[in-house]
Amino acid sequence: GAGVSQSPRYKVAKRGQDVALRCDPISGHVSLFWYQQALGQGPEFLTYFQNEAQLDKSGLPSDRFFAERPEGSVSTLKIQRTQQEDSAVYLCASSPLLDYGTQYFGPGTRLLVL
Amino acid sequence: AQTVTQSQPEMSVQEAETVTLSCTYDTSENNYYLFWYKQPPSRQMILVIRQEAYKQQNATENRFSVNFQKAAKSFSLKISDSQLGDTAMYFCAFLSRGSEKLVFGKGTKLTVNP
Repeated sequence: GAGVSQSPRYKVAKRGQDVALRCDPISGHVSLFWYQQALGQGPEFLTYFQNEAQLDKSGLPSDRFFAERPEGSVSTLKIQRTQQEDSAVYLCASSPLLDYGTQYFGPGTRLLVL
Repeated sequence: AQTVTQSQPEMSVQEAETVTLSCTYDTSENNYYLFWYKQPPSRQMILVIRQEAYKQQNATENRFSVNFQKAAKSFSLKISDSQLGDTAMYFCAFLSRGSEKLVFGKGTKLTVNP
């Protein structure tokens, strides 16, 4: 079956621009996660949804970051007024309910802010 | 807060040989899960193996096995009969029971040489 897909795969933004990153999880997966992976680092948790409910957004680095999953399927991570430090790979992952830690990752969106 | 430490930034091994990747973690909790994820070059991150902390028996998945030492808070990954396709970044990760937030280490870059 289809895995997790993300779009765009690459995004170049000028500092101050707004960007929107999309994630299509595996069909039927209840849980959806966003991570930020800086160059040479492990992924860092940003936020988590169970269906359409955002249950944990403790990892969002500032109020410029916003995520939504309005119908419990596709999710969008929005970054407003991008800064150079936002340059990273943004990973999306999905998981069936209660399958602790077994997450299925997408290919990521590489964001470069100039 | 939990932390995960991978002290080997890079490792290499000859094809068909065995290699062990190290991971230590810090937690005050008793119930948790540990994982090894693999991120091949330009490909999606996938789960290699998982271990529930309450299980004393070390997890095994084909050529991959772990050495889980709960008292020492150590969780190493052994790859037997290394194959060229094992070349990847390997991330150790921690999950508290009842949480959905994976905490990753910084990763070990493994190169399998022909």
